[in-house]
Amino acid sequence: EVQLVETGGGLMQPGGSLRLSCAASGFNVGSNYMTWVRQAPGKGLEWVSVICNGDSASYADSVRGRFTISTDNSKNILYLQMDSLRAEDTAIYYCAREVPPPMVGNYLDNWGQGTQVTVSS
Amino acid sequence: DIVMTQSPLSLPVTPGEPASISCRSSQSLLNGNGYNYLDWYVQKPGQSPQLLIYLSSNRASGVPDRFSGSGSGTDFTLKISRVEADDVAVYYCMQALQTPYTFGQGTKLEIK
Repeated sequence: EVQLVETGGGLMQPGGSLRLSCAASGFNVGSNYMTWVRQAPGKGLEWVSVICNGDSASYADSVRGRFTISTDNSKNILYLQMDSLRAEDTAIYYCAREVPPPMVGNYLDNWGQGTQVTVSS
Repeated sequence: DIVMTQSPLSLPVTPGEPASISCRSSQSLLNGNGYNYLDWYVQKPGQSPQLLIYLSSNRASGVPDRFSGSGSGTDFTLKISRVEADDVAVYYCMQALQTPYTFGQGTKLEIK
């Protein structure tokens, strides 16, 4: 059974750093496309980043240059390193898996429960 | 970036009645493989989002056949044939044709 569990959220001051973790089970993060999506309080969903087979990555403009996505294949964990945090980064952060080949499409077939990040002084 | 526009943003529905949500994209979501890279997600109160419909018209595992998706190119629709109380949620469309993937604003379905 596929399972994703996020940890690492908390309260941080503006300009600070935080690293989110997403522990996966039932599949290998290094062999899949893994995504972070966030949801600001009372708002909709915003795609943040994707890493492809633990290698190449893509970012939303709002986080590019400040956030880094990565995987530790030995621990089967997805990370999101968040630097230079801003108040507008306050959100619930979800990790999700893109459906793996041979299935067609890039849809997110499994999601974690989310971890809350609050950036405030 | 591809802009996704949903309507309506709020949808009050009487139980047993049908419901329909529209999703439009600023450019075609038709991939060269013939599939439309448009997916629907549902987020029930207090829960994380979950996949509802993928590639425009395919129900995810366990989704009742009351839910259906249709559309191609830039115009897509999610339909619920008979709304039940358990369908109270926010429904999002998302394009996964190109990064950054983008979501619609969300449609909040409520029971009258």
